[in-house]
Amino acid sequence: NAGVTQTPKFRILKIGQSMTLQCTQDMNHNYMYWYRQDPGMGLKLIYYSVGAGITDKGEVPNGYNVSRSTTEDFPLRLELAAPSQTSVYFCASTQVGVGTQYFGPGTRLLVL
Amino acid sequence: AQTVTQSQPEMSVQEAETVTLSCTYDTSENNYYLFWYKQPPSRQMILVIRQEAYKQQNATENRFSVNFQKAAKSFSLKISDSQLGDTAMYFCAFMKQVDNNDMRFGAGTRLTVKP
Repeated sequence: NAGVTQTPKFRILKIGQSMTLQCTQDMNHNYMYWYRQDPGMGLKLIYYSVGAGITDKGEVPNGYNVSRSTTEDFPLRLELAAPSQTSVYFCASTQVGVGTQYFGPGTRLLVL
Repeated sequence: AQTVTQSQPEMSVQEAETVTLSCTYDTSENNYYLFWYKQPPSRQMILVIRQEAYKQQNATENRFSVNFQKAAKSFSLKISDSQLGDTAMYFCAFMKQVDNNDMRFGAGTRLTVKP
């Protein structure tokens, strides 16, 4: 099993550009999450999904959008990149009732 | 909202010695999970240990153990026989058991194991 995979590993964006961060899990987990980690900080929840077709906002959703058309995939969209979105982005998943979240390797994003 | 506090931004320990990382949290919930995650320089988030709040027995995983004090809302991590590979950021995290939608992380403790 690959677990949780994320692409790309690293990306540089110019201010105002858009991009999609990809996340895929092969564990048939219902729940998926997107977090951001700013330098020297812990992770903060951006969006989450409890199943295909269902998404909801986390603690820091502004500037992002998500969709969940399948159980496996949970892409994160940045529409108008801003320097404040420079961060490392982690995708995670879990099965309902299990609690433990399994993380992808992260995507480092630099907005200049 | 739940908050998680790690009061030690940095710690160091000699190889083979024992070190304890502190974590406190604030919640009105009775049922929840607590976690310690390790983040080495590769940035991968790796689960070290987890504790269910309803369990009185402290969780252990090989050289890692916790001291869970529910009344004091304290959840410290003890690393025995420290190894160079333990050098990493360690994050304490809290999640309500009733839903899996809101995991809260502390700011982390940077642990350096010295040879």
